[in-house]
Formats: sequence, structure tokens, C-alpha cells
Amino acid sequence: DAGVIQSPRHEVTEMGQEVTLRCKPISGHNSLFWYRQTMMRGLELLIYFNNNVPIDDSGMPEDRFSAKMPNASFSTLKIQPSEPRDSAVYFCASSLVGGPSTDTQYFGPGTRLTVL
Amino acid sequence: EDQVTQSPEALRLQEGESSSLNCSYTVSGLRGLFWYRQDPGKGPEFLFTLYSAGEEKEKERLKATLTKKESFLHITAPKPEDSATYLCAVFYGGSQGNLIFGKGTKLSVKP
Repeated sequence: DAGVIQSPRHEVTEMGQEVTLRCKPISGHNSLFWYRQTMMRGLELLIYFNNNVPIDDSGMPEDRFSAKMPNASFSTLKIQPSEPRDSAVYFCASSLVGGPSTDTQYFGPGTRLTVL
Repeated sequence: EDQVTQSPEALRLQEGESSSLNCSYTVSGLRGLFWYRQDPGKGPEFLFTLYSAGEEKEKERLKATLTKKESFLHITAPKPEDSATYLCAVFYGGSQGNLIFGKGTKLSVKP
């Protein structure tokens, strides 16, 4: 299996622009997670889906952030408008079943976002 | 305030020099504690899940233990390839639950 696939790997954009990050989970996995990692705050869970349904989005920092999972093999995290403080590495992870405590999560390689 | 604290922030060992990493937590209703390894430029890689005080798990040179207030990741006779950042995460609380990660311990093992 190819593992969790994220694109793009690097994104540089200007403040105010819309940014869309993409994730393809491991085939057969039913849970998908979006994380953000910064030096200051470490790794933070933003949102997770079970069977394509958002279960907990309490970690999404503000309304500028939105996430969708239209089918079992694709998810997007959108930031509109982007701000310099959104600069971070964004990770997608997937697991076979359940939420954060119930199964091993497999992380993708991450998208490094820089907002100028 | 619910939090997870890892110590030390960085640890330098000689090959073969055993040591331990600490993850202390102050949360209510622990449901699981996780250890991950993260190499530079990569996503975290799952190592262990611990669910209750007294539980231990081992994998090669690594052994994770859990008490009611903290977890230790023991590294026995480390090798240079064990160099990485080790992250601890705690899942706790009712209903959907909450997940908090520590800032990590950066381990360097010199040959």
C-alpha cells in the first residue's frame, strides 16, 4: 500500500489567498484525521471523520478553516483567507476504525504551508 | 488546565547508553496514552498505546510504561537509528473525548 498521500508537499502563498490541502487515506480505512504542527504549539488535532462524517471539529481554529470528505478516498482542508499565522506543517492521518483512541493512526508526509 | 508535558526537551546519548523519556499529564478521565516517533520531514509513526496504570508494552529496544500521572519510554542500548523526536499524546474525557500531544523529546544517539 502507498500509505497516506498528501498534496501538495509544499505550498507558499500570500496572505488573503485560498489554500486547499488534499489527502488520500489508506484504502479500507474508515477514519481520517487532520493535524497541524508548529514549533510553538506542537501537534494539534483539527478535525476527524468517521465513515466520511465529521465527528469532532472542535480543534478547527476559526471559521476560515473548513474540511470536507466527499468520499472514502479523498479529503480536503481549506483555509480562506489564509494568514501568516497559519504557516505550519499540516498532517493527514487515517486509521481502520474508530476515533483517536481506538486504533493505530498512520500519518502522511505532511504539507508544509508558508503564508507570506 | 489539561496538559501534557514531555521531558527532557532534548537528550543526547552515546550508543548503548540506556535512558528514559518522560511524559507527564494532568487530565481527567484518561482513555489512552500514545507514543509516536517522528523523523525529520516526516509524519509521526505509531509506537504504542497504553490504556491503564501498570500497563507495559515493548518493541525492540523500546519499552513504554504507564502510571496514573505519567508514562515513561525506556530505551535500552540505543543505536544511532533510534535518533528521532518522540511524541506522547493523551486521549481523555467523555463523549467525543480530547486529544493533546506533548511537544516531544528530541533524541540524538551518537556512535
